[in-house]
Amino acid sequence: DGGITQSPKYLFRKEGQNVTLSCEQNLNHDAMYWYRQDPGQGLRLIYYSQIVNDFQKGDIAEGYSVSREKKESFPLTVTSAQKNPTAFYLCASSIKQSTEAFFGQGTRLTVV
Amino acid sequence: AQTVTQSQPEMSVQEAETVTLSCTYDTSENNYYLFWYKQPPSRQMILVIRQEAYKQQNATENRFSVNFQKAAKSFSLKISDSQLGDTAMYFCAFMNWGSARQLTFGSGTQLTVLP
Repeated sequence: DGGITQSPKYLFRKEGQNVTLSCEQNLNHDAMYWYRQDPGQGLRLIYYSQIVNDFQKGDIAEGYSVSREKKESFPLTVTSAQKNPTAFYLCASSIKQSTEAFFGQGTRLTVV
Repeated sequence: AQTVTQSQPEMSVQEAETVTLSCTYDTSENNYYLFWYKQPPSRQMILVIRQEAYKQQNATENRFSVNFQKAAKSFSLKISDSQLGDTAMYFCAFMNWGSARQLTFGSGTQLTVLP
């Protein structure tokens, strides 16, 4: 089945540690996105990538980093510089010429 | 930068009734796309309906329809014959035209359908 997979579903880390969230898609989509969701604030764009080896900052990129070495993969690293990393993270992808974004099921990150 | 505003954090409706969720946006662009996404308790984002700004006709998808007022920058969602499965968080979203497409979301409206 084609789709977009985020893993793990739940992730716990100690404060001060970097952590990488996985996002993989087998839909042959060009564009991929990372969003953060906090209660009452909707989804906020962290980073997005339109093609391999290229990505742009979204609205809240500080404390995060990404890579796009392969078309199907867009991992997000939450660094120790992110002051409030506990949140729900959603990955999405879309065909370059299309407007419809497909979402993964999300990763709930808790930093203790 | 684009902004999307949903002024109704929570709404409720009786089963089989009709409800309208509001959304306004701000942009200087003339061409763009607007969406309503649904997020049930599973937290999976599901596309409900899409509207292209250059189309005057309002989009419809079965029980879901929109009222797109371009001049007023308003994009409301009407759900007819509400069902218990419609209970979810609903997000209005904006996507700009062009090659570098960003999808910007509103803060969401939690809709509860009451039996």
